[in-house]
Amino acid sequence: EAGVAQSPRYKIIEKRQSVAFWCNPISGHATLYWYQQILGQGPKLLIQFQNNGVVDDSQLPKDRFSAERLKGVDSTLKIQPAKLEDSAVYLCASLPGLAGEGSYNEQFFGPGTRLTVL
Amino acid sequence: AQSVTQLGSHVSVSEGALVLLRCNYSSSVPPYLFWYVQYPNQGLQLLLKYTSAATLVKGINGFEAEFKKSETSFHLTKPSAHMSDAAEYFCAVSDPAWGGYQKVTFGTGTKLQVIP
Repeated sequence: EAGVAQSPRYKIIEKRQSVAFWCNPISGHATLYWYQQILGQGPKLLIQFQNNGVVDDSQLPKDRFSAERLKGVDSTLKIQPAKLEDSAVYLCASLPGLAGEGSYNEQFFGPGTRLTVL
Repeated sequence: AQSVTQLGSHVSVSEGALVLLRCNYSSSVPPYLFWYVQYPNQGLQLLLKYTSAATLVKGINGFEAEFKKSETSFHLTKPSAHMSDAAEYFCAVSDPAWGGYQKVTFGTGTKLQVIP
């Protein structure tokens, strides 16, 4: 079974530029997460999708970050414009099961995209 | 609100020695608890999880953790460290009452160094 795919693996941009990350979850996984992991910290949830609907985006800085999951499969996360403090690893994870089943299932993580903002 | 505290951002042990990584949680309801491991330049991988069945949970690679409600702890242990255990370990908590959806809060992580 293929794992969670993310691209690019590394990205270096100047501040105020735009950047987009792509994630393809495990086939059949209804739930998809984007996390931001700043160096020395644990992953912080940015947004959670159930199929193509947003379940939780309360910690997404909506003035500069946006995400979509068209057709309930792959997803893109965009930052526009980027700031220095956005330098981090952006992790995508997916989880099998639907509402009512998913509270205790394992999340499957992709390798992440390391973003450096100069 | 749920939260996790991991004591010690760095832990060093000798190869063959006991590994003990500490995790304390805060949750308004009996939580689900997880330990994930992250190797360099990789995503997180589940080691084990507690879902209110047995309080002593066994995971992969010889790791286990014990849920202690009275201490609000879920410490991770391994009797004998191996060089390949060097990685960063994250404790995480999920509130099972959150509408059935899994919303996980991660701790800040503990980097384990194994000394030959």
